[in-house]
Amino acid sequence: SYVLTQPPSVSVAPGQTATITCGGDNLKYQSVHWYQQRPGQAPMLVVFDSVVRPSDIPERFSGSKSGNTATLIISRVEAGDEADYYCHVWDTTTEAVFGGGTKLAVL
Amino acid sequence: QMQLQQSGPGLVKPSQTLSLTCTVSGGSMKNNDYYWDWVRQPPGKGLEWIGSIYYSGGTYYNPSLKSRVSISVDTSKSQFSLRLTSVSAADTAVYYCARENQRGGRGQLDHWGQGTLVTVSS
Repeated sequence: SYVLTQPPSVSVAPGQTATITCGGDNLKYQSVHWYQQRPGQAPMLVVFDSVVRPSDIPERFSGSKSGNTATLIISRVEAGDEADYYCHVWDTTTEAVFGGGTKLAVL
Repeated sequence: QMQLQQSGPGLVKPSQTLSLTCTVSGGSMKNNDYYWDWVRQPPGKGLEWIGSIYYSGGTYYNPSLKSRVSISVDTSKSQFSLRLTSVSAADTAVYYCARENQRGGRGQLDHWGQGTLVTVSS
């Protein structure tokens, strides 16, 4: 089955930029969606279609893709950004796949 | 503003059937742009997609759960439901319902329910 690979953890100091990667075969041809999940809360969409930010998400959040790696970029990181982040694609059109998740620690 | 409200028991005995319902408000389920999905998350672990349903009743399931899972929809009540049979401790998880926003393919999960912790235990 299809696998998306994320680093287990990323650490960043407040005010710096965090980058969280998501890799997978043929990812270059797929739309990648990103979710933030704060402790005890439901996931929340922060980027869809690899690069589009929902209107209620701060501009500090952005997405990019190069080859088979998608990246979630969080600029000017704040303490409130500390959370788990998951990437998501559809394998063919019949099965959703999530990455294993990345825990963002704000030092 | 669309909202998804989950309901159902938080404790299920082994070998029995898990049943959860998601009630949609703030918009119609009968929209060509949406699927309605279930996702679960075992304690301390990542997200696992369970399956999707279209308002007309078409379904897709995770192959690893397909033999035990059923998702149904009742648009007259603005609800969709999950049934998972023959549960074991491995099915203990927080279960989420979500709206999938798709255009010409499959899309992103842009609205989520509050989550229901279901514990499988005797």
